[in-house]
Order: sequence, then structure tokens, then C-alpha cells
Amino acid sequence: GEDVEQSLFLSVREGDSSVINCTYTDSSSTYLYWYKQEPGAGLQLLTYIFSNMDMKQDQRLTVLLNKKDKHLSLRIADTQTGDSAIYFCAEDLSGGYNKLIFGAGTRLAVHP
Amino acid sequence: NAGVTQTPKFQVLKTGQSMTLQCAQDMNHNSMYWYRQDPGMGLRLIYYSASEGTTDKGEVPNGYNVSRLNKREFSLRLESAAPSQTSVYFCASRDGTGELFFGEGSRLTVL
Repeated sequence: GEDVEQSLFLSVREGDSSVINCTYTDSSSTYLYWYKQEPGAGLQLLTYIFSNMDMKQDQRLTVLLNKKDKHLSLRIADTQTGDSAIYFCAEDLSGGYNKLIFGAGTRLAVHP
Repeated sequence: NAGVTQTPKFQVLKTGQSMTLQCAQDMNHNSMYWYRQDPGMGLRLIYYSASEGTTDKGEVPNGYNVSRLNKREFSLRLESAAPSQTSVYFCASRDGTGELFFGEGSRLTVL
């Protein structure tokens, strides 16, 4: 089936690490994505990982993929107030870039 | 560099009225998408178009129709609006690497 699940809220202190988790159900997914949505705006691609990778690091962002458990996480190191946003996990079902299924989004609140 | 442009940004309709949301992209992308965003439900795919001349249903197509007018434009039509269609609608296009580029959204309220 097609289902992507995320927790809805996360609150962290500025300077701490944030970890946003996601589970998906379709083992045929070839790419998994993290998108960021700031207030009043559309979504922007943050990072992505190919399904044959376990980890991807990009500056303050680390993506971990556990394909056996169908679990994806996004770690933001040294979280800043500018990181406050909604983060969406998404899976690409088709492999041909035709159909992306999104989770409900995790609202990250960063406080002093 | 406009990217993905949606119009209108805001619209209020009465139940039963019809309207069309317009979307255009200037990035020469083949694939285009319409999503709706509702609180606690993330983005749900309404329709998509893998290439000019083709359209396919997504997760929640009922009550909507689409037209891929040409490579640039992909419109979404509500023939008879219902309060359940109150939502924020996002158009997106996708490049060859798989990245989605989103418009700023259209907020629709159906009374």
C-alpha cells in the first residue's frame, strides 16, 4: 500500500539536534525525499536519498535510511530558529519520477 | 526566473460554483502535478501529467478535472465546488533528476 507516516510536531532548543522520523510502506520506492515548507510558501527540496544508500550527509543535514524497517530519518545538527518549518517525507513509488507520495508533515518549532 | 506560477492565489466560491486554477512553468519540465494540502494530512496528489498530452489520476481525483494544455500549462478545474474542497492547492513540475518545484499555492474556500 501507499502510506507515509510522520509525527506531527517536534520542539527543540536552539543549538540542539533535531531528528524527524518517517516510515513508509512501499518497498519498491527508489528515492526518498525530504521537503521543507516555510509559512505561506510552497515546498522546497531539502535533500533526498536513493534506496540503495544507508546514509547521506549534506552540511548540517544527515539522512538515515533503514530499508529493512522502511524507516527514514532527517537529523538537523545545531538547529537554528530559521529551521522552524514543516518537514515532509516523500517516497517515489514509480521509479520513473511520476508519482510522489507525501507524509502529513512534521512541524518543527525551535525555541531559545 | 519565474519557476512555477499559480493563479489565483486566493479564491472564495459558493457551493456549486465552478472555477479553474491555472498553473504554468517555464523550466521545460515534462511532468506536472496538482496536490491539495489539508491540516494533518500532508499533500495528496489529485492528478498528474507525465508529459504533454497525458494525464493520470492521483490519490484524490473525485470532483476535479485537469487539462495539460501544452508543455508549460496544467490547469485544474472544479466543476461544482463543495465545502470539502476547501484547501490549499499546489501545482508542481518535476525535472529530470526527480526534484519537484512547487508554486506558491492557491488558497480556496468553498462556502
